[in-house]
Amino acid sequence: EAGVTQFPSHSVIEKGQTVTLRCDPISGHDNLYWYRRVMGKEIKFLLHFVKESKQDESGMPNNRFLAERTGGTYSTLKVQPAELEDSGVYFCASSLDRSYNSPLHFGNGTRLTVT
Amino acid sequence: GIQVEQSPPDLILQEGANSTLRCNFSDSVNNLQWFHQNPWGQLINLFYIPSGTKQNGRLSATTVATERYSLLYISSSQTTDSGVYFCAVVSGGSNYKLTFGKGTLLTVNP
Repeated sequence: EAGVTQFPSHSVIEKGQTVTLRCDPISGHDNLYWYRRVMGKEIKFLLHFVKESKQDESGMPNNRFLAERTGGTYSTLKVQPAELEDSGVYFCASSLDRSYNSPLHFGNGTRLTVT
Repeated sequence: GIQVEQSPPDLILQEGANSTLRCNFSDSVNNLQWFHQNPWGQLINLFYIPSGTKQNGRLSATTVATERYSLLYISSSQTTDSGVYFCAVVSGGSNYKLTFGKGTLLTVNP
């Protein structure tokens, strides 16, 4: 089966611009998560979807970040306007069940560089 | 929230050597996973191991949940094993949110 797919793999934008990251989860996985690793620090949780509903967005850093999952399939994460501190690697993950019952499968990540 | 500590923070090995990476966590967990982030940034799932022992080729992992630690063993290391190894847990209080440790940076020299 195809794994979690993220697009683009790399993005370089200027401060103040907008970027949209896309994630396609494994088919049949209702749970979709966004995580990020900035400035070489630990990987941090951003938010969790179950189908199209946001279950937990407590990790979203501020209102410049907007995540959507229309139709409960793929998800997008928009950063508008981007700031320098947003640079890092953004990971998407999906799981069949809540993560305490089944493992999370991560995509290859999107490396975002804000200059 | 739960604290996840990994040791050592950095490790340099010669190809062929064995190593043990440790992950300590501060509370009971429902889920524990080990990941390898390779030099290209990809996050590879190595083990889903909330308890017990598993083996996959040259890698094996053991989690002793009652003592709140997990170990990742790498035998006969290869240069392709280089990268950052992360331990991540889901604690009982938040049954879906993975908390990651800071990782162990492994460098395997030829």
